[in-house]
Amino acid sequence: EAEVAQSPRYKITEKSQAVAFWCDPISGHATLYWYRQILGQGPELLVQFQDESVVDDSQLPKDRFSAERLKGVDSTLKIQPAELGDSAMYLCASSLGPNNEQFFGPGTRLTVL
Amino acid sequence: DQQVKQNSPSLSVQEGRISILNCDYTNSMFDYFLWYKKYPAEGPTFLISISSIKDKNEDGRFTVFLNKSAKHLSLHIVPSQPGDSAVYFCAAMGGNQFYFGTGTSLTVIP
Repeated sequence: EAEVAQSPRYKITEKSQAVAFWCDPISGHATLYWYRQILGQGPELLVQFQDESVVDDSQLPKDRFSAERLKGVDSTLKIQPAELGDSAMYLCASSLGPNNEQFFGPGTRLTVL
Repeated sequence: DQQVKQNSPSLSVQEGRISILNCDYTNSMFDYFLWYKKYPAEGPTFLISISSIKDKNEDGRFTVFLNKSAKHLSLHIVPSQPGDSAVYFCAAMGGNQFYFGTGTSLTVIP
C-alpha cells in the first residue's frame, strides 16, 4: 500500500542549529502539506503545495522556516535557526488534490535542547 | 481562533460499550468533515468522512453523524475495542481550508 514517507523519524538538535526534514508523498498526489503538532494540540498547517507551487504559507514563520518542493514531488522543510519552542512533531501529508482526503506520514519528532 | 473544537480532551470507555466523540465547528463554509485516528509516534490515519449533504455515514463499527444546524459532528464506535485506544482528531474542509480539532484521547478499558 502506498504511504507517505518522512525522514528522519526523530531529530534532536541544539538551539540555533539548522534542521531539515524530508517528505516523499504518495505517487500521483499533487497536493502536499506540512503540519506542526505540539503535544496536546491538533496539527497546525504550516505550508501547502500544489505541485511545486506554494498555495498557503500564512502560518509558516518565514523568518526561520522554509519549505520547497522543487520538482513537485518530494519536499523539504528547513528550520534555521532552531528555537526551543520548535520542539514538536512535524507531519507531512499528501492528497490527490486540495479537496481530497489527506494521507499522513509517520512524522518527525523534533526536540530542541 | 479555533474553528474546529473538541471539548473533551479525554474519554474512557469499557470494552464492548459505545464510544462517542464530539466535535463542533464555527465556519458554515465547511462542507466536508473527517475523523483521523492517531497512535503515539505515528502520523494520523484517516478513519471516516462525511459530506455536508449527508447526516450520517457508517463504516463497520464507525459511524459519523453530522448536525449542520448545530455545527456539530460526532463519531460513534460500537462496540469499542482496546485497539481503538488512540487520539481522535476531527477535521473540517471547505474553500481549500483544512482545520483540525485539538483531539480526544480515547481509552478503551478491557
